[in-house]
Amino acid sequence: EVQLVESGGGLVQPGGSLRLSCAASGFIFSTHVMSWVRQAPGKGLEYVANIKQDGSEKYYVDSVKGRFTISRDNAKNSLYLQMNSLRAEDTAVYYCARALSGGVTGLPFWGQGTLVTVSS
Amino acid sequence: QTVVTQEPSLTVSPGGTVTLTCASSTGTVTSGYYPNWFQQKPGQAPRALIYSTSNRHSWTPARFSGSLLGGKAALTLSGVQPEDEAEYYCLLYYGGTQGVFGGGTKLTVL
Repeated sequence: EVQLVESGGGLVQPGGSLRLSCAASGFIFSTHVMSWVRQAPGKGLEYVANIKQDGSEKYYVDSVKGRFTISRDNAKNSLYLQMNSLRAEDTAVYYCARALSGGVTGLPFWGQGTLVTVSS
Repeated sequence: QTVVTQEPSLTVSPGGTVTLTCASSTGTVTSGYYPNWFQQKPGQAPRALIYSTSNRHSWTPARFSGSLLGGKAALTLSGVQPEDEAEYYCLLYYGGTQGVFGGGTKLTVL
């Protein structure tokens, strides 16, 4: 059974930093593209970032470029999102999601999310 | 900035049929955008329904179908059940890797 468990969320002041983690199990982590998706309170989904299987290629939505860094440790079956210079508008539930097997697209599996609140 | 547009809300009667659409600000949506559809109920993580335009996941009920319709991606629900009341999101991919979600459609079963 595919499982994705996010952690690391919490309350942080504007301008602060936070590192999210996603522990993966139930599949061969190193062979799948992984993504972060966020959802602000009462709002829709926003695709934040993705990372190829070996970490060689990464994509970021414009609103987080230069502030967020996606990374992975295939030996630990873990995905990360380093978030710096946080703003109030980054307040959201952050979901870790796995792509379809053998491809880049599709998000068949999701974690339950971790809440990040940016506020003074 | 690429914008993906969905109907904000739709209402359907139990047992009825409804079609949700997903348009791109760049023009006609084709299979090359790998349209995906997700269902989200309050307090829950999104659940994937359809990938690559029309492919159901193993857990997706047969009453959900995906297609391309009039230059847009479409999700059709046939024989709607009360439990289908939810928010539905489409996801399009640009350049093969850049994912953009639509704003979501709130489906009411009434």
